Amino acid sequence: KNEVEQSPQNLTAQEGEFITINCSYSVGISALHWLQQHPGGGIVSLFMLSSGKKKHGRLIATINIQEKHSSLHITASHPRDSAVYICAVRFDRDDKIIFGKGTRLHILP
Amino acid sequence: KAGVTQTPRYLIKTRGQQVTLSCSPISGHRSVSWYQQTPGQGLQFLFEYFSETQRNKGNFPGRFSGRQFSNSRSEMNVSTLELGDSALYLCASSLRSTSGRSYEQYFGPGTRLTVT
Repeated sequence: KNEVEQSPQNLTAQEGEFITINCSYSVGISALHWLQQHPGGGIVSLFMLSSGKKKHGRLIATINIQEKHSSLHITASHPRDSAVYICAVRFDRDDKIIFGKGTRLHILP
Repeated sequence: KAGVTQTPRYLIKTRGQQVTLSCSPISGHRSVSWYQQTPGQGLQFLFEYFSETQRNKGNFPGRFSGRQFSNSRSEMNVSTLELGDSALYLCASSLRSTSGRSYEQYFGPGTRLTVT
């Protein structure tokens, strides 16, 4: 069965803290996406990964194919990082895309 | 380069009616995917089109259908609307290749559908 588990569901942190959001999936994938959704609905694609690690500014995404796990890290977090972060996985066997439930991040100034 | 556009942005319909939503992808993108987002179920994949062909379909009833035109613009249709169809409908475009390799997706602002 294609499953995607994301944790934590909610996360509140102080400005400047290092943030980690996790995503685990059940079977083989062809790609994993990290998305950001701000209040009001707009979704921005942050990263697309099939292996290794990617970095963009203060954001870092890693994926471990053997462990079927990905992490999104935010360094030096800022209130403007407050948003819902969603992991989306495209599964190999049926090419379907399944989304995690999302992590609601709130960074306090 | 213009982003993904969706029309209309907001829509109110009555149970039993049908609705058509439109998505114009980024120029040069041949793949368009549609998603439904609700507070209860989160984001769910509806279908994906590439070069006018449906490549993949999520687990939604046959009331949900779509198509893609030769200019890559896509429409989705929901017939016999139910209250549970109230949702934000998002489309995303990408460069996805004929071999199936995935590329980054670019999302539109969404159409918020309310069914009364």
